[in-house]
Amino acid sequence: GAVVSQHPSWVICKSGTSVKIECRSLDFQATTMFWYRQFPKQSLMLMATSNEGSKATYEQGVEKDKFLINHASLTLSTLTVTSAHPEDSSFYICSAKLAGTYEQYFGPGTRLTVT
Amino acid sequence: AQTVTQSQPEMSVQEAETVTLSCTYDTSESDYYLFWYKQPPSRQMILVIRQEAYKQQNATENRFSVNFQKAAKSFSLKISDSQLGDAAMYFCAYRTEYGNKLVFGAGTILRVKS
Repeated sequence: GAVVSQHPSWVICKSGTSVKIECRSLDFQATTMFWYRQFPKQSLMLMATSNEGSKATYEQGVEKDKFLINHASLTLSTLTVTSAHPEDSSFYICSAKLAGTYEQYFGPGTRLTVT
Repeated sequence: AQTVTQSQPEMSVQEAETVTLSCTYDTSESDYYLFWYKQPPSRQMILVIRQEAYKQQNATENRFSVNFQKAAKSFSLKISDSQLGDAAMYFCAYRTEYGNKLVFGAGTILRVKS
């Protein structure tokens, strides 16, 4: 149980375009989901916290207009990287908090390459 | 703000031997949770072990055990009988008792030699 999926697992896009990454909790409801960014051989950096039905809370230094987060249902959150640039290339990981608990479960991550 | 420090960027261990990964943290809270996560080359984050701060007994999970020293704010991970599959990046993480956010350390790359 407690499986989180991400789609796509790997995406290449051209500079200036937008790309959407989905995070789904497959077998549980997640009132809260988290989006992290990870550079090679570095730690996870929390970008934002999304709560179902409300606006996301962004960490300091994260551009909310560039990284659009939507948490439309108890099982789905999306991260849209708008007007992507090569410096946005990174590994993006989501996690989902099991409703009623504080336990987080991680997705497998999405590798974004912007050319 | 809470911080988590992992002072060992890389560690190596011989297969079947024991290795200890270090982690220290800073917090003013009295109740919190500590975690060790493993991130293998697949990059899927895997929970290895967790420790509740109010519990004095050190958590164990098969070959993995922790040495939790609350007063010293230290939380080390011991891996016994190391296996090739243990090779990964290991992250120490902290969460307040009723908090949402996980605070991660910088990570330690563990290499296992055959």
